[in-house]
Amino acid sequence: EAQVTQNPRYLITVTGKKLTVTCSQNMNHEYMSWYRQDPGLGLRQIYYSMNVEVTDKGDVPEGYKVSRKEKRNFPLILESPSPNQTSLYFCASSLSAYRQGPYYGYTFGSGTRLTVV
Amino acid sequence: GEDVEQSLFLSVREGDSSVINCTYTDSSSTYLYWYKQEPGAGLQLLTYIFSNMDMKQDQRLTVLLNKKDKHLSLRIADTQTGDSAIYFCAESSSVKAAGNKLTFGGGTRVLVKP
Repeated sequence: EAQVTQNPRYLITVTGKKLTVTCSQNMNHEYMSWYRQDPGLGLRQIYYSMNVEVTDKGDVPEGYKVSRKEKRNFPLILESPSPNQTSLYFCASSLSAYRQGPYYGYTFGSGTRLTVV
Repeated sequence: GEDVEQSLFLSVREGDSSVINCTYTDSSSTYLYWYKQEPGAGLQLLTYIFSNMDMKQDQRLTVLLNKKDKHLSLRIADTQTGDSAIYFCAESSSVKAAGNKLTFGGGTRVLVKP
């Protein structure tokens, strides 16, 4: 089944303890992206990747890192989590880094609910 | 930069029509989308419209686009309890430096009352 798999689904951690949220897609998609969802703010892009070894900041990158060493994986790293990073995180992938439209639309993971205390 | 706005909440009676509104600022938007998010789930693409269209109908869903006013709406006919969810408006633009980036609105929570 074509899918984007995120782990873990739920995570409670303490301030300052490094964590990684994994994201993997099995569709050979070129473009991958991380979003965070906060009430009333919708989904905001954290980082994106146009292809292997090509990553760039989105709209809210502070406090996050990513890597794209392989096409299928795009982990989100929080080096020193803080309470304002408590949020619902989504990884998404798309067939093309440039082409748009529903054929090149996003496939979303199921989300990771992170709480930082 | 790009901005997409939606109202936060809509309450509707089962069997009535729902209308969710969205405004956007990016005049180079190419595609506009409606996503549905059910509790505890990811986002599911409901429908979309290309920017040179005014209207698109897909079963119970009707999308209207007023490009001049940068206004998008989603009408759900004969709303059912299973339509209770958060609905997100999103846009993509061919000129974005971030490639195939979607910009989302804040989401409209729709509550369908029996």
